[in-house]
Amino acid sequence: AQSVTQPDIHITVSEGASLELRCNYSYGATPYLFWYVQSPGQGLQLLLKYFSGDTLVQGIKGFEAEFKRSQSSFNLRKPSVHWSDAAEYFCAVGANNAGNMLTFGGGTRLMVKP
Amino acid sequence: DGGITQSPKYLFRKEGQNVTLSCEQNLNHDAMYWYRQDPGQGLRLIYYSQIVNDFQKGDIAEGYSVSREKKESFPLTVTSAQKNPTAFYLCASSMGTGWGTEAFFGQGTRLTVV
Repeated sequence: AQSVTQPDIHITVSEGASLELRCNYSYGATPYLFWYVQSPGQGLQLLLKYFSGDTLVQGIKGFEAEFKRSQSSFNLRKPSVHWSDAAEYFCAVGANNAGNMLTFGGGTRLMVKP
Repeated sequence: DGGITQSPKYLFRKEGQNVTLSCEQNLNHDAMYWYRQDPGQGLRLIYYSQIVNDFQKGDIAEGYSVSREKKESFPLTVTSAQKNPTAFYLCASSMGTGWGTEAFFGQGTRLTVV
Protein backbone atom coordinates (compact mmCIF):
# COMPACT_ATOMS: atom_id res chain seq x y z
CA ALA A 1 0.00 0.00 0.00
CA GLN A 2 1.12 3.53 -0.63
CA SER A 3 1.96 6.07 2.06
CA VAL A 4 2.91 9.73 2.27
CA THR A 5 5.08 11.50 4.84
CA GLN A 6 5.26 15.23 5.35
CA PRO A 7 8.10 15.62 7.86
CA ASP A 8 7.34 19.21 8.85
CA ILE A 9 4.16 19.76 10.84
CA HIS A 10 4.65 23.53 11.08
CA ILE A 11 6.78 25.92 9.06
CA THR A 12 7.12 29.68 9.52
CA VAL A 13 8.62 31.89 6.84
CA SER A 14 8.85 35.62 6.37
CA GLU A 15 6.82 37.26 3.65
CA GLY A 16 8.91 37.46 0.50
CA ALA A 17 11.13 34.56 1.48
CA SER A 18 11.31 31.34 -0.48
CA LEU A 19 9.44 28.23 0.60
CA GLU A 20 9.96 24.51 0.30
CA LEU A 21 7.56 21.97 1.78
CA ARG A 22 8.75 18.41 1.89
CA CYS A 23 6.85 15.32 0.80
CA ASN A 24 8.09 11.74 0.67
CA TYR A 25 6.02 8.88 -0.66
CA SER A 26 6.14 5.14 -0.68
CA TYR A 27 4.70 3.29 -3.65
CA GLY A 28 5.90 0.36 -5.68
CA ALA A 29 5.37 1.88 -9.10
CA THR A 30 5.29 5.33 -10.62
CA PRO A 31 2.82 7.25 -8.54
CA TYR A 32 0.43 10.04 -9.30
CA LEU A 33 1.26 12.91 -6.94
CA PHE A 34 -0.77 15.88 -5.84
CA TRP A 35 -0.44 18.95 -3.67
CA TYR A 36 -3.57 20.45 -2.13
CA VAL A 37 -3.99 23.59 -0.02
CA GLN A 38 -6.58 24.11 2.70
CA SER A 39 -7.52 27.43 4.26
CA PRO A 40 -8.93 27.27 7.81
CA GLY A 41 -12.36 25.68 7.94
CA GLN A 42 -12.44 25.13 4.18
CA GLY A 43 -12.15 22.27 1.74
CA LEU A 44 -9.07 21.35 -0.23
CA GLN A 45 -8.00 23.06 -3.43
CA LEU A 46 -5.68 21.41 -5.92
CA LEU A 47 -2.40 23.27 -6.42
CA LEU A 48 -0.73 20.95 -8.88
CA LYS A 49 -0.33 17.35 -9.92
CA TYR A 50 2.27 15.08 -11.46
CA PHE A 51 1.40 12.17 -13.69
CA SER A 52 4.35 11.69 -16.00
CA GLY A 53 6.76 13.57 -18.23
CA ASP A 54 8.58 16.67 -17.06
CA THR A 55 9.49 16.21 -13.42
CA LEU A 56 9.07 19.89 -12.65
CA VAL A 57 5.40 20.82 -12.62
CA GLN A 58 3.87 24.24 -12.37
CA GLY A 59 0.71 24.92 -10.45
CA ILE A 60 -1.57 27.73 -9.47
CA LYS A 61 -0.65 30.69 -7.25
CA GLY A 62 3.01 30.55 -8.31
CA PHE A 63 3.74 27.13 -6.82
CA GLU A 64 5.84 24.43 -8.40
CA ALA A 65 6.90 20.94 -7.38
CA GLU A 66 9.64 18.60 -8.46
CA PHE A 67 9.31 14.84 -8.66
CA LYS A 68 12.52 13.03 -7.75
CA ARG A 69 12.17 9.31 -8.20
CA SER A 70 15.55 8.50 -6.65
CA GLN A 71 14.54 10.26 -3.44
CA SER A 72 10.84 9.30 -3.53
CA SER A 73 10.08 12.96 -3.04
CA PHE A 74 7.70 15.55 -4.42
CA ASN A 75 8.62 18.80 -2.69
CA LEU A 76 6.55 21.94 -3.16
CA ARG A 77 8.29 25.26 -3.72
CA LYS A 78 7.50 28.92 -4.12
CA PRO A 79 10.15 31.59 -4.75
CA SER A 80 8.45 34.37 -2.79
CA VAL A 81 5.76 33.74 -0.20
CA HIS A 82 2.81 36.08 0.26
CA TRP A 83 0.84 36.49 3.48
CA SER A 84 -2.17 34.92 1.75
CA ASP A 85 -0.23 31.66 1.36
CA ALA A 86 -0.68 30.93 5.07
CA ALA A 87 -2.67 27.68 5.10
CA GLU A 88 -2.27 23.95 5.51
CA TYR A 89 -0.71 22.01 2.67
CA PHE A 90 -1.30 18.36 1.91
CA CYS A 91 0.66 16.05 -0.32
CA ALA A 92 -1.21 13.05 -1.69
CA VAL A 93 -0.41 10.00 -3.75
CA GLY A 94 -2.81 8.23 -6.04
CA ALA A 95 -2.35 4.70 -7.20
CA ASN A 96 -3.73 2.48 -9.85
CA ASN A 97 -6.10 0.78 -7.48
CA ALA A 98 -9.78 0.14 -7.29
CA GLY A 99 -11.64 3.25 -6.27
CA ASN A 100 -8.87 5.66 -7.25
CA MET A 101 -8.35 6.54 -3.65
CA LEU A 102 -5.86 9.18 -2.65
CA THR A 103 -3.58 8.67 0.34
CA PHE A 104 -2.76 11.92 2.12
CA GLY A 105 0.15 13.02 4.22
CA GLY A 106 -0.42 14.53 7.64
CA GLY A 107 -0.17 18.07 6.34
CA THR A 108 2.17 21.01 6.90
CA ARG A 109 0.83 24.20 8.40
CA LEU A 110 2.48 27.27 6.92
CA MET A 111 2.62 30.51 8.84
CA VAL A 112 3.86 33.71 7.20
CA LYS A 113 5.52 36.47 9.21
CA PRO A 114 5.08 40.04 8.01
CA ASP B 1 -21.19 26.77 -11.25
CA GLY B 2 -20.35 23.11 -10.83
CA GLY B 3 -19.14 21.93 -7.53
CA ILE B 4 -19.64 19.93 -4.38
CA THR B 5 -21.95 21.16 -1.66
CA GLN B 6 -21.76 19.90 1.88
CA SER B 7 -24.33 20.76 4.50
CA PRO B 8 -24.56 21.81 7.19
CA LYS B 9 -21.28 23.64 7.72
CA TYR B 10 -21.51 23.11 11.50
CA LEU B 11 -23.37 20.31 13.26
CA PHE B 12 -23.81 19.55 16.91
CA ARG B 13 -24.83 16.12 18.12
CA LYS B 14 -25.74 14.77 21.49
CA GLU B 15 -24.10 11.55 22.54
CA GLY B 16 -26.10 8.54 21.45
CA GLN B 17 -27.69 10.24 18.46
CA ASN B 18 -27.22 9.45 14.80
CA VAL B 19 -26.61 12.37 12.45
CA THR B 20 -26.47 12.57 8.67
CA LEU B 21 -24.11 14.79 6.72
CA SER B 22 -25.17 15.79 3.23
CA CYS B 23 -22.97 15.83 0.14
CA GLU B 24 -24.26 16.78 -3.30
CA GLN B 25 -22.30 17.25 -6.52
CA ASN B 26 -23.31 18.56 -9.91
CA LEU B 27 -20.06 17.69 -11.67
CA ASN B 28 -21.47 14.46 -13.13
CA HIS B 29 -18.73 12.57 -11.36
CA ASP B 30 -19.04 8.82 -10.93
CA ALA B 31 -16.90 8.44 -7.81
CA MET B 32 -17.52 10.02 -4.42
CA TYR B 33 -15.62 9.84 -1.16
CA TRP B 34 -15.89 10.72 2.51
CA TYR B 35 -12.81 11.70 4.50
CA ARG B 36 -12.38 12.51 8.14
CA GLN B 37 -9.84 15.11 9.20
CA ASP B 38 -8.35 15.37 12.68
CA PRO B 39 -5.59 17.80 13.66
CA GLY B 40 -2.17 16.48 12.68
CA GLN B 41 -3.55 13.33 11.08
CA GLY B 42 -4.26 14.44 7.57
CA LEU B 43 -7.28 12.95 5.84
CA ARG B 44 -8.47 9.42 6.42
CA LEU B 45 -10.86 7.65 4.10
CA ILE B 46 -14.19 6.56 5.59
CA TYR B 47 -16.18 5.27 2.60
CA TYR B 48 -16.09 5.60 -1.14
CA SER B 49 -18.46 4.87 -3.98
CA GLN B 50 -17.50 4.23 -7.58
CA ILE B 51 -21.02 3.97 -8.95
CA VAL B 52 -24.64 4.34 -7.92
CA ASN B 53 -25.90 1.69 -5.50
CA ASP B 54 -22.39 0.54 -4.68
CA PHE B 55 -19.94 1.65 -1.99
CA GLN B 56 -16.89 0.32 -0.22
CA LYS B 57 -15.38 0.74 3.23
CA GLY B 58 -12.30 2.83 3.63
CA ASP B 59 -9.73 2.76 6.39
CA ILE B 60 -11.98 3.93 9.24
CA ALA B 61 -15.54 2.86 8.35
CA GLU B 62 -16.56 1.60 11.80
CA GLY B 63 -19.41 3.66 13.24
CA TYR B 64 -20.33 5.20 9.89
CA SER B 65 -22.77 4.31 7.13
CA VAL B 66 -23.45 5.66 3.65
CA SER B 67 -25.84 5.31 0.75
CA ARG B 68 -25.56 6.08 -2.95
CA GLU B 69 -29.06 6.03 -4.38
CA LYS B 70 -28.36 8.86 -6.81
CA LYS B 71 -25.25 9.78 -8.74
CA GLU B 72 -25.32 13.30 -7.31
CA SER B 73 -25.68 12.41 -3.65
CA PHE B 74 -23.57 10.53 -1.11
CA PRO B 75 -24.82 11.15 2.44
CA LEU B 76 -22.82 10.01 5.45
CA THR B 77 -24.47 8.91 8.68
CA VAL B 78 -22.43 9.09 11.86
CA THR B 79 -23.98 6.52 14.16
CA SER B 80 -23.94 6.28 17.93
CA ALA B 81 -21.41 3.45 17.53
CA GLN B 82 -18.74 5.93 16.44
CA LYS B 83 -16.77 6.46 19.64
CA ASN B 84 -15.13 9.75 18.81
CA PRO B 85 -17.14 11.51 16.11
CA THR B 86 -16.00 15.07 16.74
CA ALA B 87 -14.02 15.96 13.60
CA PHE B 88 -14.05 17.83 10.31
CA TYR B 89 -15.65 15.80 7.52
CA LEU B 90 -14.81 16.31 3.87
CA CYS B 91 -16.68 14.96 0.87
CA ALA B 92 -14.96 14.64 -2.49
CA SER B 93 -15.71 13.42 -5.97
CA SER B 94 -13.77 12.45 -9.04
CA MET B 95 -14.66 11.89 -12.65
CA GLY B 96 -13.98 8.22 -12.52
CA THR B 97 -11.74 5.65 -11.06
CA GLY B 98 -9.10 5.92 -13.69
CA TRP B 99 -5.52 6.19 -12.71
CA GLY B 100 -4.62 9.52 -11.24
CA THR B 101 -7.97 11.24 -11.54
CA GLU B 102 -7.92 14.26 -9.28
CA ALA B 103 -10.45 14.69 -6.51
CA PHE B 104 -12.57 17.79 -5.97
CA PHE B 105 -13.56 18.66 -2.42
CA GLY B 106 -16.51 20.26 -0.71
CA GLN B 107 -16.13 22.90 2.00
CA GLY B 108 -16.53 20.45 4.84
CA THR B 109 -18.80 19.88 7.82
CA ARG B 110 -17.53 20.33 11.36
CA LEU B 111 -19.27 17.89 13.68
CA THR B 112 -19.12 18.40 17.43
CA VAL B 113 -20.52 16.05 20.03
CA VAL B 114 -21.94 17.88 23.03
